[in-house]
Amino acid sequence: QKEVEQNSGPLSVPEGAIASLNCTYSDRGSQSFFWYRQYSGKSPELIMFIYSNGDKEDGRFTAQLNKASQYVSLLIRDSQPSDSATYLCALLSYQLTFGKGTKLSVIP
Amino acid sequence: IAGITQAPTSQILAAGRRMTLRCTQDMRHNAMYWYRQDLGLGLRLIHYSNTAGTTGKGEVPDGYSVSRANTDDFPLTLASAVPSQTSVYFCASSDSLGDTQYFGPGTRLTVL
Repeated sequence: QKEVEQNSGPLSVPEGAIASLNCTYSDRGSQSFFWYRQYSGKSPELIMFIYSNGDKEDGRFTAQLNKASQYVSLLIRDSQPSDSATYLCALLSYQLTFGKGTKLSVIP
Repeated sequence: IAGITQAPTSQILAAGRRMTLRCTQDMRHNAMYWYRQDLGLGLRLIHYSNTAGTTGKGEVPDGYSVSRANTDDFPLTLASAVPSQTSVYFCASSDSLGDTQYFGPGTRLTVL
């Protein structure tokens, strides 16, 4: 059974701060990792994916992967109120397995 | 049509009734998926299809069936709905099974 663990939150950060979202997983065979953002009442939308150990940056978002420690994280720099949403971590080996999500609140 | 569409947007259904949720994509993606999302349980895969004519079972397939007659459409059928099938249902698609998945807007289903 592939497990993907996320702190459900809510995680509250002030506007302009760095939000750090973490995800651990149990399946060492997982090759690809995804972060989705889901606004309340909406569908998940892809933010980033990462395959290799290390950091991957896209604008204000940085995904970090450490396969040896089996964790993947998402950093959001200069957090904005519009970043308030639930963030879903997902891993892909054969099928996509989702964590339950972390709710982020950015306080103006 | 742009991306993935789902119908209906929401539905209230009496237990025991048959219901088909529709999903159509116009991206010519080979793979399609059905998920349900429940509070506290996250997104769980119901069924998937890696190409037209083939389907497979996900984590929670019981009580659901799918078909994939062509590339674009992937309907999900509840043969005899039960209250535990009350959920939000998302259809997704990807170029292949190992690729990034894109989600439709969802169908909110309530079974009474």
